[in-house]
This record gives sequence, C-alpha cells and structure tokens, in this order.
Amino acid sequence: AQKITQTQPGMFVQEKEAVTLDCTYDTSDPSYGLFWYKQPSSGEMIFLIYQGSYDQQNATEGRYSLNFQKARKSANLVISASQLGDSAMYFCAMRELSRRALTFGSGTRLQVQP
Amino acid sequence: DTGVSQNPRHKITKRGQNVTFRCDPISEHNRLYWYRQTLGQGPEFLTYFQNEAQLEKSRLLSDRFSAERPKGSFSTLEIQRTEQGDSAMYLCASSFIGTGPKDTQYFGPGTRLTVL
Repeated sequence: AQKITQTQPGMFVQEKEAVTLDCTYDTSDPSYGLFWYKQPSSGEMIFLIYQGSYDQQNATEGRYSLNFQKARKSANLVISASQLGDSAMYFCAMRELSRRALTFGSGTRLQVQP
Repeated sequence: DTGVSQNPRHKITKRGQNVTFRCDPISEHNRLYWYRQTLGQGPEFLTYFQNEAQLEKSRLLSDRFSAERPKGSFSTLEIQRTEQGDSAMYLCASSFIGTGPKDTQYFGPGTRLTVL
C-alpha cells in the first residue's frame, strides 16, 4: 500500500508568489515523523523541514512551513515568496518510530516562473 | 562541516560486471543508509547500518547486492553481475542517533549507475 501520496506531478508558480505542495500519508504507528526534501537537477536531496506526529504547532523554517493536519493525514509544504532557485523536485517522506527507513512519495516538480 | 560524500559520481558498466560504490558519512554520524532512486520516482530504502552493524535490509536488496561498513565509518555497496534494471541513482545518507522519530537523514550527491 502506498504510504506517501503526492498527487501533483508538476506545479508552476510565479516568482514571489506562495505555493502549496500536497502530501498525504498512511500509517498505523502513533509516533512518526514527516520530512520534506528538495532535489535540484544536481541530484542531491536537501532536507527542508520536519514535523513530528506529536508536535502541537506546525513547523516553520524560513520560507518553508508545513501545514500539518493530523486527522486528515496530510502534511502539505508551503513555500512563501517563491524564488527562481526553488525550481526543483520536492519529496515528502515519512519515518515511523518502529523503523529507521524513510518512505518517500513520488515527488512534485516545481517550476518557478519569472 | 563536510557533508556526505559519495564516489564515484557516475559509473557506466557493462551487464554482468561488478561495481562498488563508496559513501563517507558526516563524521559524527553513526547511522548510515543506502537508497536507490530510479527515474521519476522517490528514493527507495535498501539498507541501514548503526556503527558497523547492518540492522535492516529491504527486500529490494537481492543477493547480488552487498553492503559493508567495516569500521563504522565509510560504507561500500557492491553489486555483482549487474543487470540493466540496476541502472539508477544510488543515494547514501547519514544521521546521528537521537531519540524520537526525527533522526534527520542527510544525503550525499549520489552515484548514478548506467548498465549497458
């Protein structure tokens, strides 16, 4: 069963606008973590932001924020004030406490237009 | 701080040959992971080490694949008798032991394998 679902294969956003990348997940483990990574064309996976299942507040890191809706099992990434350098693949991932491995979604390709 | 490094960055080989990749984690990190990423997909977990012990292996890790981390520092991933289906990006990540589910994994630049 697919544990991480990213339904948007590609997204376009105008420079300086905000964009939301969707992620839904499925787990029966009560303790888990959700991660977003950015993968530019160079290939390296860059860690952006983390949300724990017991965290009361939505995570924020600079221009990145995570809209965590636990009951809906969604963890959408919001990028504010998009920049041309934000153009990349974005992956949502989950780690259940019972395992060390990250499970990734299929990714969303974001293109920021000037 | 140096990040995770991987060598080589690119490898082209003929079907049936053996290949070996190396990963050097961030120096204070004691957990090391290998993932495989095929075109258009997210990375898939292969195996994980805590220090020198290999603690988890995915079903994706067939008997042609072997990974080692002999002294708990760098790791190697060997693929024997390569097949065209092994063509992929092989990503290494490392993390520092912590409590709870965070345990953020930091990735290297990957080794892109092409099997002809």
